[in-house]
Amino acid sequence: DTGVSQNPRHKITKRGQNVTFRCDPISEHNRLYWYRQTLGQGPEFLTYFQNEAQLEKSRLLSDRFSAERPKGSFSTLEIQRTEQGDSAMYLCASSFIGTSGRLLLSSYEQYFGPGTRLTVT
Amino acid sequence: AQKVTQAQTEISVVEKEDVTLDCVYETRDTTYYLFWYKQPPSGELVFLIRRNSFDEQNEISGRYSWNFQKSTSSFNFTITASQVVDSAVYFCALRGPNQGGKLIFGQGTELSVKP
Repeated sequence: DTGVSQNPRHKITKRGQNVTFRCDPISEHNRLYWYRQTLGQGPEFLTYFQNEAQLEKSRLLSDRFSAERPKGSFSTLEIQRTEQGDSAMYLCASSFIGTSGRLLLSSYEQYFGPGTRLTVT
Repeated sequence: AQKVTQAQTEISVVEKEDVTLDCVYETRDTTYYLFWYKQPPSGELVFLIRRNSFDEQNEISGRYSWNFQKSTSSFNFTITASQVVDSAVYFCALRGPNQGGKLIFGQGTELSVKP
């Protein structure tokens, strides 16, 4: 399977516990995005990486949230001291941007993984 | 500020009916990109189409067609001869020219196609 994969698919945790999610993007994609989706809403942007550099973080990403992409391939999203309000679907997406000579190559489309559904009890 | 509005929360149709999903957007950028994604019950967002702001040609792909009108800031999606498999939540999204590619999504329209 060459699509975006996410693990675990479901996570149930007690309030106050830490959780970590993993995202494996499409192999040739250098951009990786995290979004959060609550019930009945559209996805909301959290953060994105280009290669290993985290280039933007949303105000939604509180101090309890941290994301990494250490080798520019897979990424992890950790939530510390989870709260019930953190219950949501966490979506990962990837895309490609680059150049070939003077030509800018960009895949504007973001390809999404199946998501990790977090339930905080 | 950028915003996407999908005023229709839920739509229910009978199979073979045509259905149009509305999308209205707000942006101050002169260059921007619009998208439609489908989210079936399995949860994975599936890319359907991208439209650049400088290309107002409408597009048809099989039973799907898209009507982009800059004058009304709308990017509507029509499914012709709907099928049960079209049942899903559909999201319209907006991206600016220099924002790292982050997408601003609407609230989504849940389409239910009954046999």
